[in-house]
Amino acid sequence: EDQVTQSPEALRLQEGESSSLNCSYTVSGLRGLFWYRQDPGKGPEFLFTLYSAGEEKEKERLKATLTKKESFLHITAPKPEDSATYLCAAGQAGTALIFGKGTTLSVSS
Amino acid sequence: NAGVMQNPRHLVRRRGQEARLRCSPVKGHSHVYWYRQLPEEGLKFMVYLQKENIIDESGMPKERFSAEFPKEGPSILRIQQVVRGDSAAYFCASSPLSGGSKNIQYFGAGTRLSVL
Repeated sequence: EDQVTQSPEALRLQEGESSSLNCSYTVSGLRGLFWYRQDPGKGPEFLFTLYSAGEEKEKERLKATLTKKESFLHITAPKPEDSATYLCAAGQAGTALIFGKGTTLSVSS
Repeated sequence: NAGVMQNPRHLVRRRGQEARLRCSPVKGHSHVYWYRQLPEEGLKFMVYLQKENIIDESGMPKERFSAEFPKEGPSILRIQQVVRGDSAAYFCASSPLSGGSKNIQYFGAGTRLSVL
């Protein structure tokens, strides 16, 4: 069965304390691994797409990496405004995304 | 450019009524997806449509739920005879015609359905 699993479910960090979020997947015909950010009461906001193992992408304090079985979202020196739920999703050819349940990140000052 | 627009943002229905959710995709996008998000659950795929066609409805319950994306106008997700278990946030996403790096799905703010 195709599935995406994210860990941890929740993560509390102090401002400036770097960490990583994990997304493991077992998906046939993977056509892309997507990361989204979701704030309370809002829709998911696109962050990154990764297509092949070894690929990395960066945006401000965030860096996403991909292996054949998992993806990591590294957060360097986070700030309180980085607090959100981060969603990982696997894309298959010609169809919808398979989402994990997300990691809720809280960054305190 | 306007993003994906969903309305209403909040919808309250009594059991047995009909709920109609609307989604206008990003201008130029011809692919629309509907997802449902239950409390403490991840986003679950419901249906994938292109203009005037349902491409994949494997995630949509066979009864009471229907979706359309007409040639003109927004995509509609219709839930007939709602029950309390239908209470959830419903999200619409759209993507451009071509695949590859342009197949990113962009999401609307969602419709929060509450069934009394």
